Amino acid sequence: DAKTTQPPSMDCAEGRAANLPCNHSTISGNEYVYWYRQIHSQGPQYIIHGLKNNETNEMASLIITEDRKSSTLILPHATLRDTAVYYCIDANQAGTALIFGKGTTLSVSS
Amino acid sequence: GAVVSQHPSWVICKSGTSVKIECRSLDFQATTMFWYRQFPKQSLMLMATSNEGSKATYEQGVEKDKFLINHASLTLSTLTVTSAHPEDSSFYICSAKQGLHYGYTFGSGTRLTVV
Repeated sequence: DAKTTQPPSMDCAEGRAANLPCNHSTISGNEYVYWYRQIHSQGPQYIIHGLKNNETNEMASLIITEDRKSSTLILPHATLRDTAVYYCIDANQAGTALIFGKGTTLSVSS
Repeated sequence: GAVVSQHPSWVICKSGTSVKIECRSLDFQATTMFWYRQFPKQSLMLMATSNEGSKATYEQGVEKDKFLINHASLTLSTLTVTSAHPEDSSFYICSAKQGLHYGYTFGSGTRLTVV
């Protein structure tokens, strides 16, 4: 079963920042926080991952709290193409499978 | 970046026939690949872990004789749905991990419809 919890849905206006929260209440010390998204009828797309420091790449920023029990994915300027289901997942680097929860459906509107 | 190619992207087959889905890592070697299934409006469910040169590890409730997995090389894993039935209609997705410091890369998925 998935170990993370996320709100089922969120709305965001185009051009505004989208902040997607995730709770990692049972994350262990060697597990990373991964974020993926899935646009309808496509395979999941990697967004970002981190261990305990905040991370940023060309797609998004990842903020992880000091106790690592929660994280926030930030899309700084959401566009209509960011409408998707977003998944946060705890996983170690040993190469075991990612276990998906129900994710957050983000709807970006103009 | 790492690319995982999945083929075919969609397939329609008759009930009772078998269908093979291929998953290839194009620019990296993957000793382990993963197969998922996704029903409409649901999340991805892990079916099995495919290990190069050895038997796959199946999740509870997944019939290994029905969903045959072969991982004969470091860049190719195949999933064969044998004696397919309409309830096997689903979106099948594979993934692989490039290495220790990389994320997991997913294929584009295969839409299977059994009629």
